[in-house]
Amino acid sequence: AQRVTQPEKLLSVFKGAPVELKCNYSYSGSPELFWYVQYSRQRLQLLLRHISRESIKGFTADLNKGETSFHLKKPFAQEEDSAMYYCALMNNAGNMLTFGGGTRLMVKP
Amino acid sequence: KAGVTQTPRYLIKTRGQQVTLSCSPISGHRSVSWYQQTPGQGLQFLFEYFSETQRNKGNFPGRFSGRQFSNSRSEMNVSTLELGDSALYLCASSLVGTGSGNTIYFGEGSWLTVV
Repeated sequence: AQRVTQPEKLLSVFKGAPVELKCNYSYSGSPELFWYVQYSRQRLQLLLRHISRESIKGFTADLNKGETSFHLKKPFAQEEDSAMYYCALMNNAGNMLTFGGGTRLMVKP
Repeated sequence: KAGVTQTPRYLIKTRGQQVTLSCSPISGHRSVSWYQQTPGQGLQFLFEYFSETQRNKGNFPGRFSGRQFSNSRSEMNVSTLELGDSALYLCASSLVGTGSGNTIYFGEGSWLTVV
């Protein structure tokens, strides 16, 4: 069975502070992991995926297979980063995502 | 290119009734999947369709069903509604729906309230 855990339901930081949203997974196969973001009143949208190794809106995430983690980081948080962030794991068939419970990020001015 | 579109966006139903939700995937996408989002259970996978065939199903009772049409549009149906079915139902689509590198895109969802 595959499982994704996001230990923090809420993360509150001040503008300009570093941000790290934690994600741990359990999966017996080769993991493919994603971060999705949901801004207020907007659809769930893909932020980044580990196979792309890209930086989107200043966010990065590194897959650590030894620690089974895929934490999302940003060195300097902005107020517009306030949103719900979901870590997700895709199954081997590539047609199903298992989501973590989500972390609400609040960036205070 | 238009995104995943879902109708209706909001609806209220009474316990015991049934409901049908519709989804139009992104043009060219052949895989459509459905998720239920609730405050208590979070985002949970319902089922996935590709070329009119259900390929994967989540852990939901048989009251939840779906189908996909030849134009890749999809519908999901919930029969004998219960209060606990109140949720945001998300439709998602992807190009081929399989393999590494597959990207899944979500619609805005249909808000269902059961009273």
